[in-house]
This record gives sequence, C-alpha cells and structure tokens, in this order.
Amino acid sequence: DGGITQSPKYLFRKEGQNVTLSCEQNLNHDAMYWYRQDPGQGLRLIYYSQIVNDFQKGDIAEGYSVSREKKESFPLTVTSAQKNPTAFYLCASSTILAGETGELFFGEGSRLTVL
Amino acid sequence: AQSVAQPEDQVNVAEGNPLTVKCTYSVSGNPYLFWYVQYPNRGLQFLLKYITGDNLVKGSYGFEAEFNKSQTSFHLKKPSALVSDSALYFCAVRDPYSSASKIIFGSGTRLSIRP
Repeated sequence: DGGITQSPKYLFRKEGQNVTLSCEQNLNHDAMYWYRQDPGQGLRLIYYSQIVNDFQKGDIAEGYSVSREKKESFPLTVTSAQKNPTAFYLCASSTILAGETGELFFGEGSRLTVL
Repeated sequence: AQSVAQPEDQVNVAEGNPLTVKCTYSVSGNPYLFWYVQYPNRGLQFLLKYITGDNLVKGSYGFEAEFNKSQTSFHLKKPSALVSDSALYFCAVRDPYSSASKIIFGSGTRLSIRP
C-alpha cells in the first residue's frame, strides 16, 4: 500500500542529545514536510522540501535540521539546540503538479520525549 | 494575511444527533479548503476537500462540508453522530496560487460523542 512511514513511533532522549526521526514515502510525491504538534497549538511547519537536495525553513526551524538526498526520504534531526523538543512530530507529503490540489498526506507521527 | 479559525475548542454531541464543526477562513480569491481528522497518537487523515463547484462536498465516514462564500465558512457536518467519530478535527485552507507548503491549519476542534 502507498503511504508514509515514520519511525520510531516513540522516542526518549536525554537532554543534550541529537535524535533523528525517519520519514519515508512511496507515493511518488515531490514535496515533503515536517510539522510539530503541541497540545492546543495545532500544527506548526518546521521544514519542507519540494525537490531532492533542496529544502526550506518553515515557521519554527530553529534547533532542527533536515536532508533530502532521495525523493522518498526526508529525515528530521532534532538537535540539542532545540530548547523544548518534547512534542508530537508529523511528516507529510504532497504532489506539486500543476492543476493538482496538493492536499497533504500524513504519516502516523513520532512522539519525542526529553527526559 | 491568510488565516483560518475554528471558533470552538470542543463540541459535544449525543450519539445519533447531527453534528457541526465550524470553520471560517480569510483568503483572497477562491481558496482550496480541507478537513482532516486525527485520532489519539495518530497522524492526520484527509476527510474531504472543496475546490470548486457544488457547495456541498461529501467525504469519508459519512461526513460532508458546506462551503459558503459569502460567509467565508466551510463547516463540517454529519447527519447522525457515532461514538467512533470522537476525535480532533482540523480545517485547513490554501491559496491555489501558492505552494502547498503555504497550507494553513486551524487550531483544531475536539469532537466528543456521548453514547
């Protein structure tokens, strides 16, 4: 089945450690996104990429880094510089073809807890 | 500036009764409008979208939404609620002439259906 796979589902981290969240899609979508979700705050865009080897900062990119070496993969690293990393992280993808409506398709999320 | 508002943090409905989850938006021109549902610790699932045409659009799980251009609203509805409809619902809007990365999500409405 086509879809987006995020791993791990749950992750615990000690303060000062970097962690990397995986996101893989087999929908052949050009665009991929990372969102952060906190209770009562909806979704906030961290980074997005519309093409391999290129990505753009979203609204809350500080303390995060990404790479896009393959069309299918868009990993997110939460660095030690992120002051409040405990959150639910959502990866999404979409088409960017002309005439397409470009709705987002989401993975199941990764919950990061800093101990 | 583009924006989307979900004026109710929580909506409570008895099973079998009709439900409405409200959404209003502020986007120039003719926007693309979306509804998503999120179950606990899961990703967002696409429910339905309005692009053009008939103001009443039908989606997954028996949900429908009514587009009202004069009131700039896109309310989600269901004629008869089920306990299993209890979840967090997000309205989203996008200017069709902008990138899919510019999709704006509302803050979410928690729908609670009591037996």
